[in-house]
Amino acid sequence: GENVEQHPSTLSVQEGDSAVIKCTYSDSASNYFPWYKQELGKRPQLIIDIRSNVGEKKDQRIAVTLNKTAKHFSLHITETQPEDSAVYFCAAKYSTLTFGKGTMLLVSP
Amino acid sequence: NAGVTQNPKFQVLKTGQSMTLQCAQDMNHNSMYWYRQDPGMGLRLIYYSASEGTTDKGEVPNGYNVSRLNKREFSLRLESAAPSQTSVYFCASVQAMGNTEAFFGQGTRLTVV
Repeated sequence: GENVEQHPSTLSVQEGDSAVIKCTYSDSASNYFPWYKQELGKRPQLIIDIRSNVGEKKDQRIAVTLNKTAKHFSLHITETQPEDSAVYFCAAKYSTLTFGKGTMLLVSP
Repeated sequence: NAGVTQNPKFQVLKTGQSMTLQCAQDMNHNSMYWYRQDPGMGLRLIYYSASEGTTDKGEVPNGYNVSRLNKREFSLRLESAAPSQTSVYFCASVQAMGNTEAFFGQGTRLTVV
């Protein structure tokens, strides 16, 4: 089955800095790569996703890149704000959605 | 629209007790999932239902059973709870098995003592 590795497990940045979270996947058949944000005690919510026919997608301060050859994808958050503090999960999907173990992002004012 | 609704939100069980976690969605989605979330382990798939009338095992199915009661409802049953099943359980639904957003319920925090 699919295996998704996510790094780093924790990331601390200063407000205004950029944050990058990286994921790799094992199943070359995976063709959908969403990113979820989970605030403390809340449910995961989709923040951005990318499909296999696209190399990059941007939505305001967040962007995702995908390298299908290398089987890795990354989340980029620019101009981080304290409200970006949360756990972020990457996932890969062919038939079912497989998640990475998560990255706890802490943005300090 | 309520989206995906789970009940109960919190539950404490004694070892060996049984219980059913309820999940319902009102988005007319075809596919539904049950995940468990443990610290440092991410979200691990227990069972899923690609469409009404079908269910399949995920990554960690042992100790659980599921029922896709109808298109709206997908329940998860623990027949004999164990402390290792202490976790937060999330139900999710997807419009189809294709590449679309999964919507999550608010979670059930289960403690087995």
